[in-house]
Amino acid sequence: ILNVEQSPQSLHVQEGDSTNFTCSFPSSNFYALHWYRWETAKSPEALFVMTLNGDEKKKGRISATLNTKEGYSYLYIKGSQPEDSATYLCALIKAAGNKLTFGGGTRVLVKP
Amino acid sequence: DTAVSQTPKYLVTQMGNDKSIKCEQNLGHDTMYWYKQDSKKFLKIMFSYNNKELIINETVPNRFSPKSPDKAHLNLHINSLELGDSAVYFCASSPLTSGYNEQFFGPGTRLTVL
Repeated sequence: ILNVEQSPQSLHVQEGDSTNFTCSFPSSNFYALHWYRWETAKSPEALFVMTLNGDEKKKGRISATLNTKEGYSYLYIKGSQPEDSATYLCALIKAAGNKLTFGGGTRVLVKP
Repeated sequence: DTAVSQTPKYLVTQMGNDKSIKCEQNLGHDTMYWYKQDSKKFLKIMFSYNNKELIINETVPNRFSPKSPDKAHLNLHINSLELGDSAVYFCASSPLTSGYNEQFFGPGTRLTVL
């Protein structure tokens, strides 16, 4: 069983504050890590696909880093806004292929 | 235009019935997937097809059968529905089978088995 763990499970953030959360995964046979943003009543939407150790990707106020040797990725939200409220999912792909194993998500609620 | 669409959005049915959920993508992608959101809200892969060919087949009861008439469609047939099949089912697609490609998800189909 492949364990992809996300912490914390939920997070309350004050508008304007920055925050970050973690995705942990087994480091062996790493191939790729995906991050998705999932708003309530909508579909998951891809944020990043990360493949190389030390990768750092950015989209607006959201960025992510990757450490494949120790098996973790951080997602950062700078200056949180209410529209950032969503569940953020990470998903691991081991070896060459396309089978995503999802973590349980971090639910972020940004309070005005 | 919706990129990945699923029908129906909601499906309520009795135990023992046979039902289908349809998925279509207009993105020109080669690869399509079915996921189940389980009772703990985890998304779990069920099947993946590449250009009408089955490439991922997870440990899923054989009452579940995917069918891909062409690369733009991947339908999910479920026979002899059981209470435990109640869940939200998501279809997704990606340009290629490579894990380097992001996946595009449909809106989900909420199946309730009574």
